[in-house]
Amino acid sequence: DGGITQSPKYLFRKEGQNVTLSCEQNLNHDAMYWYRQDPGQGLRLIYYSQIVNDFQKGDIAEGYSVSREKKESFPLTVTSAQKNPTAFYLCASSAGQALSGNTIYFGEGSWLTVV
Amino acid sequence: GQNIDQPTEMTATEGAIVQINCTYQTSGFNGLFWYQQHAGEAPTFLSYNVLDGLEEKGRFSSFLSRSKGYSYLLLKELQMKDSASYLCAVWRAGSYQLTFGKGTKLSVIP
Repeated sequence: DGGITQSPKYLFRKEGQNVTLSCEQNLNHDAMYWYRQDPGQGLRLIYYSQIVNDFQKGDIAEGYSVSREKKESFPLTVTSAQKNPTAFYLCASSAGQALSGNTIYFGEGSWLTVV
Repeated sequence: GQNIDQPTEMTATEGAIVQINCTYQTSGFNGLFWYQQHAGEAPTFLSYNVLDGLEEKGRFSSFLSRSKGYSYLLLKELQMKDSASYLCAVWRAGSYQLTFGKGTKLSVIP
């Protein structure tokens, strides 16, 4: 089945550690995104990538890093510089930019907790 | 920049009709999305409006007025499973950035 797969579903991070969240899509979409969701808050854009080997910062990129070496993969690293990383992380993809029909589809999400 | 407002919470009765409003201010506009999100799950796509008017899809309808910066999501014949958060999101023209409102938590009661 076509879709977006995120792993792990649940992840615990110790203070000072870097952790990487995986995101893979088989929808043949060019664009991929990472959003963060905190309780009572909307989704906030961390990074996005329009095409392989290219990515752009979103509204809250500090303390995060990404790579886009393959079209189907867009991993997110939460670094120790991110002071409040506990949140629900959502990966998404779309066929292209803001044009009619280019809906953004989401993965199942990853819960990250700092312990 | 962009600003999207929607009510924080709403309560409605099973079988009734509920309207969830969304107002937005954006520099450039290329469509508005509604997503449904159950607690702890990913958002799922409900509707997309890029032109003014009403889009109907089963029990759900979405309306857009670009001149007023206003949209609503109409849910008919409410069911208990419709209890969820409903997210309004705006595509900024010429970009890859979809900006979300904070969501409206709908509780359907018997």
